[in-house]
Amino acid sequence: RKEVEQDPGPFNVPEGATVAFNCTYSNSASQSFFWYRQDCRKEPKLLMSVYSSGNEDGRFTAQLNRASQYISLLIRDSKLSDSATYLCVVTLPMIKAAGNKLTFGGGTRVLVKP
Amino acid sequence: DTGVSQNPRHKITKRGQNVTFRCDPISEHNRLYWYRQTLGQGPEFLTYFQNEAQLEKSRLLSDRFSAERPKGSFSTLEIQRTEQGDSAMYLCASSAQQGLGTAYSPLHFGNGTRLTVT
Repeated sequence: RKEVEQDPGPFNVPEGATVAFNCTYSNSASQSFFWYRQDCRKEPKLLMSVYSSGNEDGRFTAQLNRASQYISLLIRDSKLSDSATYLCVVTLPMIKAAGNKLTFGGGTRVLVKP
Repeated sequence: DTGVSQNPRHKITKRGQNVTFRCDPISEHNRLYWYRQTLGQGPEFLTYFQNEAQLEKSRLLSDRFSAERPKGSFSTLEIQRTEQGDSAMYLCASSAQQGLGTAYSPLHFGNGTRLTVT
């Protein structure tokens, strides 16, 4: 089983609509959670951190459910520019070194259409 | 430009050849990571440096792979006797070390080196 799993999509979303998707993680020792955004043939960039109480950043809302081991991302009022792959990221303790390593899911592709 | 820089952007090589990639992290970042990404997959962790010390290596990093960060600044990733399965995007990222009471320091990725092994 993969450590971080995501529905690959694509999620085809009409412009202005709301889209939401989840990510599940297998290791209960996961400590921190993030969503990264990756545009086609570009590097991943941090979209937002995910806090236990849930958090919002403009049109984006992230939730964490530790009991069921999943995080979610909701995008309201979708824009054409939101088309991208959204990578779920969890941190796991490194085996030998102090600190955490980021473990990525396979990504969920979102296509916003006019 | 003070972001993470990777060279070359693209590399095409024949199977069996050796290749070396370079990563220049953000200058004040002491943590450096190498990831590999294939089409349709998320980045996979390869290795991690704190300053010049290589502290963690993934099982994905076979004996043909070696990474260095000799002076705690730039890093190189070498692949010997390349195989077609090595074809991927190799991403470098850096971050600052977290201090007590500070928020998480996010990873800053470079543009990556796309390797094609023919």
